[in-house]
Amino acid sequence: AQSVTQLGSHVSVSEGALVLLRCNYSSSVPPYLFWYVQYPNQGLQLLLKYTSAATLVKGINGFEAEFKKSETSFHLTKPSAHMSDAAEYFCAVSEVYSGNTPLVFGKGTRLSVIA
Amino acid sequence: DSGVTQTPKHLITATGQRVTLRCSPRSGDLSVYWYQQSLDQGLQFLIHYYNGEERAKGNILERFSAQQFPDLHSELNLSSLELGDSALYFCASSVLGTGTWNEQFFGPGTRLTVL
Repeated sequence: AQSVTQLGSHVSVSEGALVLLRCNYSSSVPPYLFWYVQYPNQGLQLLLKYTSAATLVKGINGFEAEFKKSETSFHLTKPSAHMSDAAEYFCAVSEVYSGNTPLVFGKGTRLSVIA
Repeated sequence: DSGVTQTPKHLITATGQRVTLRCSPRSGDLSVYWYQQSLDQGLQFLIHYYNGEERAKGNILERFSAQQFPDLHSELNLSSLELGDSALYFCASSVLGTGTWNEQFFGPGTRLTVL
């Protein structure tokens, strides 16, 4: 069974500082991995995805994530935080090879950006 | 705007009642997924329909049921409601969902409050 663990339910950074949101996964087959962002009172928006191509994945809004198989990790980073980055971030995994693609989500990390 | 619509946006009802949540996928998308987001359980996959047929079930209670109609819209029926069913219910759609990865586009959600 697949699962996702996000370390830290709440991360607070200063504007302009590095953003690092941690995600570790467990999967019995090579997974597809995703980061989604949820702004208040909105649905989820895909930030970036890893689908077995390049291990360093670039997404929207300056975010990127690196797939590290040896560490079973897919941490999300952004060099310089902006106030507009304040939101809830979800890491998710999908075992595409099983024939269907429902997503398994982590518990989420709330990012606060301090001016 | 993802192109996925959900109605109603908010729903307040009493324990023991039955409600129906509606989802219209993006034009051309054949797959519809339902997810539940609650404070204690986080984001959980409930059920997946592809072109009118049920494809996968997640942590969906027996009191809950869903269907996808010929025009591809989907309805999630929740019956004998309990306080613990209060949550945000998301619908997502994708083009396919039969073994290859396709981005899931999320609707804005329906917030259900059971009093």
